[in-house]
Amino acid sequence: GENVEQHPSTLSVQEGDSAVIKCTYSDSASNYFPWYKQELGKRPQLIIDIRSNVGEKKDQRIAVTLNKTAKHFSLHITETQPEDSAVYFCAARRVNAGGTSYGKLTFGQGTILTVHP
Amino acid sequence: DTEVTQTPKHLVMGMTNKKSLKCEQHMGHRAMYWYKQKAKKPPELMFVYSYEKLSINESVPSRFSPECPNSSLLNLHLHALQPEDSALYLCASSQVGRSNTEAFFGQGTRLTVV
Repeated sequence: GENVEQHPSTLSVQEGDSAVIKCTYSDSASNYFPWYKQELGKRPQLIIDIRSNVGEKKDQRIAVTLNKTAKHFSLHITETQPEDSAVYFCAARRVNAGGTSYGKLTFGQGTILTVHP
Repeated sequence: DTEVTQTPKHLVMGMTNKKSLKCEQHMGHRAMYWYKQKAKKPPELMFVYSYEKLSINESVPSRFSPECPNSSLLNLHLHALQPEDSALYLCASSQVGRSNTEAFFGQGTRLTVV
C-alpha cells in the first residue's frame, strides 16, 4: 500500500520567516496530494491541494510543489504568522483497482509548526 | 453548506456499554469515511462507504460496526470497546469519481473508554 513520509516532525520559526515541510510517497499511482492543518482539538482542514498533472500551486502565502518523478511534494509557507502554528499533515490519494477514487487518503506523520512572535 | 456534523462531541463509555457515533452531511457527497486519530498521530482510515455500500474495511475489529442508512448519514456502532480505543473519531465525506476532490472532515467525537 501507499506509504507517506513527512519531514520534519517539528519546525520552529520566527514570525515572518518561511517554513517548508516535505513529503515523499511510494505509490506512483497516487494522483492527489492535499495538505491539512489541524489546530489543537479541532478537525483537519484542507489548506491547499495539488493534482498530479500540475507541478506547482499557490494560494496567497501558501504554495505546494510536486515532483512526480521523485515522488515528493512540499508545502511552503511564507511570511509566517503565530496563527500558522498547528500540526500540518500531508496526504496522498491512490486510485483503487477499479480506476475510480473514493478519496482514501494516506497521511504523513505530521509536522508540528510553531511560529514565535 | 460545507459542513460535516458529528455527534456527540465527547463520549465517555464503559467497556460493557453500547454506543453510537453519528455523522451527517448535506453536500451530496456519495463517499463517507470513518477515521481514528490518536493524540499527535495522523488520522487512520477505518471504513469507506461509497453509494451507501461498504467498500473498504481496513481490518477494523468487529467491536466497531459501521452503518450508512442513507446518502447523508453515517453511523459507527461501538460495543465492548477497550481503553486503547480511546481516540478522536473523525467522519469525512467527499465526492466519488476520477476527478479528485477534497475530503471534508467533521469536528470529531472524542471518545474515552473507561
